[in-house]
Amino acid sequence: DVKVTQSSRYLVKRTGEKVFLECVQDMDHENMFWYRQDPGLGLRLIYFSYDVKMKEKGDIPEGYSVSREKKERFSLILESASTNQTSMYLCASSPSGAGGSYEQYFGPGTRLTVT
Amino acid sequence: AQSVTQLGSHVSVSEGALVLLRCNYSSSVPPYLFWYVQYPNQGLQLLLKYTSAATLVKGINGFEAEFKKSETSFHLTKPSAHMSDAAEYFCAVSFYGGSQGNLIFGKGTKLSVKP
Repeated sequence: DVKVTQSSRYLVKRTGEKVFLECVQDMDHENMFWYRQDPGLGLRLIYFSYDVKMKEKGDIPEGYSVSREKKERFSLILESASTNQTSMYLCASSPSGAGGSYEQYFGPGTRLTVT
Repeated sequence: AQSVTQLGSHVSVSEGALVLLRCNYSSSVPPYLFWYVQYPNQGLQLLLKYTSAATLVKGINGFEAEFKKSETSFHLTKPSAHMSDAAEYFCAVSFYGGSQGNLIFGKGTKLSVKP
């Protein structure tokens, strides 16, 4: 089974702190994604990566950065956390290649509260 | 541009009743379509997917969905609701034939099941 793990299920940080959210997948997937989920807004894509050291902005990248130094690991960084970044953060991975169905596999999520 | 619309942010049914969750998509190319389920404080789990084979797709937990090109719809159904079906459901579409694995998600429909 594909497994996507996230470093924390619940996290409480203070305004202005630098926050790292880690995601690891064990299926050698090329693609990895970070979403945030807020009530009534569904999932919104923050950043994604198609390969090691590659990253692309999603729909809401402001206030976030990412790092992908190894294929299995994709980190989301909040440079200076703010209260409007309180949210559920979901990581996902998928295989790439023509003919793929692009099914994404999700981690359990990190519920981040910024106070 | 591709988009996904889920009609109804909340749907309530009685236990044993039919479940119908609506999803319409907009796509200029043949899509791949997905339904995901999210239980409270968990990540998303794939229920079923359409990848241009059979138009009636069967998934896990007794759910199925029918791809109707003429109606640009991919509604999710289950003949008899169970209390354990209470969750949030997301419809998603991806780009067919591309090399990248982005999904576009609907805003979600929260299903309540009354005893």
